[in-house]
Amino acid sequence: GAGVSQSPRYKVAKRGQDVALRCDPISGHVSLFWYQQALGQGPEFLTYFQNEAQLDKSGLPSDRFFAERPEGSVSTLKIQRTQQEDSAVYLCASSLLARSGTGNTEAFFGQGTRLTVV
Amino acid sequence: AQSVAQPEDQVNVAEGNPLTVKCTYSVSGNPYLFWYVQYPNRGLQFLLKYITGDNLVKGSYGFEAEFNKSQTSFHLKKPSALVSDSALYFCAVSAPYSSASKIIFGSGTRLSIRP
Repeated sequence: GAGVSQSPRYKVAKRGQDVALRCDPISGHVSLFWYQQALGQGPEFLTYFQNEAQLDKSGLPSDRFFAERPEGSVSTLKIQRTQQEDSAVYLCASSLLARSGTGNTEAFFGQGTRLTVV
Repeated sequence: AQSVAQPEDQVNVAEGNPLTVKCTYSVSGNPYLFWYVQYPNRGLQFLLKYITGDNLVKGSYGFEAEFNKSQTSFHLKKPSALVSDSALYFCAVSAPYSSASKIIFGSGTRLSIRP
C-alpha cells in the first residue's frame, strides 16, 4: 500500500481482556517500530524490528506486552490482561533504514490505534 | 542512551512573524535528527531530517532546521508563520550506526499561531 496501515483504528477493551493490534508497513521497509502515545505527549518507544528480528524491546512496559513480525512484514502488538493504564494511542512506523546506510532514513507513521480500556 | 529535550511546552507567535521551536539532543556518535508535526487526530507527519552535510536543512511547508553540533541542538525555524502551522511538533533522534537504532522522540511543543 501507499502508507503504513494500522487496524483497528479504535478499540475498546474491558479490563482483563487480551487485544491484538495490527500494523502493515510500507512494502519493502526493513525497520518497523511500535510506539505508545498518551494524550498530548510524545511517542514513547516500545519495540523495534529489523525484518523479522526483534532487535530492541526495551520499551515494552511489562511482560503483558508482546510484539511479533514473523515474516518480516506485518507486525502484531499483543497486550494481555489489559489494564486501564494501557489506554493510549499505539503508533506503528516503518522505514527503509537498516543498521547501516543512508537514503530514506525517516520513519513513516500510521494513523494509530486508539485503545481504551474500561 | 539517546535522549531529546524540547524545553518549551508551548510557543505562541503572531502570524507573519518568524518562529523557532527548540530541540536539544544527547546521543553517542553521529546523530540522525528529525522533526515531525502532528495535527489533531492525525498521525505524525515527517517534516525534515539532518543526516550529514549542510547544517541548515530545508523541509516541508517552508520549515527549516539548523544542526549545531557544539550546542547539540536542532532548532526548527520558519521565517513567516501561518495560522495553519498551529500543531504539535516533535523532535526526534536516532543513532543508526550504534546498537541503539531506535528513534527517540521529545515530549513535543505545541505551536500556536494567532491571526
